[in-house]
Amino acid sequence: EAAVTQSPRNKVAVTGGKVTLSCNQTNNHNNMYWYRQDTGHGLRLIHYSYGAGSTEKGDIPDGYKASRPSQENFSLILELATPSQTSVYFCASGDEGLGGRYEQYFGPGTRLTVL
Amino acid sequence: AQKVTQTQTSISVVEKTTVTMDCVYETRDSSYFLFWYKQTASGEIVFLIRQDSYKKENATVGHYSLNFQKPKSSIGLIITATQIEDSAVYFCAMREANSNNRIFFGDGTQLVVKP
Repeated sequence: EAAVTQSPRNKVAVTGGKVTLSCNQTNNHNNMYWYRQDTGHGLRLIHYSYGAGSTEKGDIPDGYKASRPSQENFSLILELATPSQTSVYFCASGDEGLGGRYEQYFGPGTRLTVL
Repeated sequence: AQKVTQTQTSISVVEKTTVTMDCVYETRDSSYFLFWYKQTASGEIVFLIRQDSYKKENATVGHYSLNFQKPKSSIGLIITATQIEDSAVYFCAMREANSNNRIFFGDGTQLVVKP
């Protein structure tokens, strides 16, 4: 079964500091995604990637960068964290594998608080 | 533009009854995939069931089934014989076949199953 892990699970950062959220998947999926979830907004796409070396902007990319150094790893980087970026962040992986499996598999989430 | 709308913010039912959660979507693509995900109280997001737009038969997995009404752009989730542990937030989502592997999510419906 799909396995997506995230680290850290909880993070407290200071305004203006740099934050890196990491995601690892062992599914050998080409595609990986970063979402944030705020109360009343569901899941909003920040960045995604089609494979190692690629990153694409999602719906709310401002203030975030992404890095995909390998098939397994996808990072979300907040260069200058702001309190408005306090949220729960989810990583997901997905692919068009055999049998037409188009769904995404999610990690456990990272709760980020920016003070 | 792609859009997924869940108008029910919260539903409360008595256990062992059947519940239906509504979802409507917008797409200009003739081929697409529809998904339902469950987010538990712990925050875990789990894929439940998928409907392919070209299939006329409604998908069924365990005690989850779908009511796919293509002319109405509607994909309802039906949970039969509800259990206390079905209490969660349920997200409807859509992916267009010709898209860049993005999935669009609704804002979710909170289901409370009471004894």
